Amino acid sequence: RKEVEQDPGPFNVPEGATVAFNCTYSNSASQSFFWYRQDCRKEPKLLMSVYSSGNEDGRFTAQLNRASQYISLLIRDSKLSDSATYLCVVNRNTGGFKTIFGAGTRLFVKA
Amino acid sequence: NAGVTQTPKFQVLKTGQSMTLQCAQDMNHEYMSWYRQDPGMGLRLIHYSVGAGITDQGEVPNGYNVSRSTTEDFPLRLLSAAPSQTSVYFCASSYAQGVNTIYFGEGSWLTVV
Repeated sequence: RKEVEQDPGPFNVPEGATVAFNCTYSNSASQSFFWYRQDCRKEPKLLMSVYSSGNEDGRFTAQLNRASQYISLLIRDSKLSDSATYLCVVNRNTGGFKTIFGAGTRLFVKA
Repeated sequence: NAGVTQTPKFQVLKTGQSMTLQCAQDMNHEYMSWYRQDPGMGLRLIHYSVGAGITDQGEVPNGYNVSRSTTEDFPLRLLSAAPSQTSVYFCASSYAQGVNTIYFGEGSWLTVV
């Protein structure tokens, strides 16, 4: 089992839709959490950090559930430009510091 | 505003050849790393460096060497290319380990035939 797991998708949604992705992590010692966005044939870029209290950045909302060991990303009012792969990233510091990337969830937003 | 610059963008190698992927950053970051990205696998850490003169192995180091003679540069050397090293390689840097933002280079698409 992978330490960080994501539904690979693809998620195909119409413009204006709300879409949510989940990411589960297996190590309870995980400390910090992020969502990165990766466009096709491009490098990953930080989308947002994920805080315990939940946080919002415009149309994007990230939440963390430590008890169930998952993080989520909600995208409201989807735009064509939101089409990308969304990577879940987890940091932990047990037996040495480690950053673990999920394999990503692909999103296609259709007109 | 260069950020992280890696070259070449595309490369085809024959089995057994060696080559070096170059990486440079202009943000004065101490932490640099190399990842490979394969379908369905996520980014996997090859080697990393916490500062000039210091390097360490990541998750998949076999077949690769690195050096860090300056803060800015962190080249990745493939010693004897194998088809299993066909992948997309990303160089990355950040102010330190575990900080919010990891900055990636644009990627190098490597095919070993």
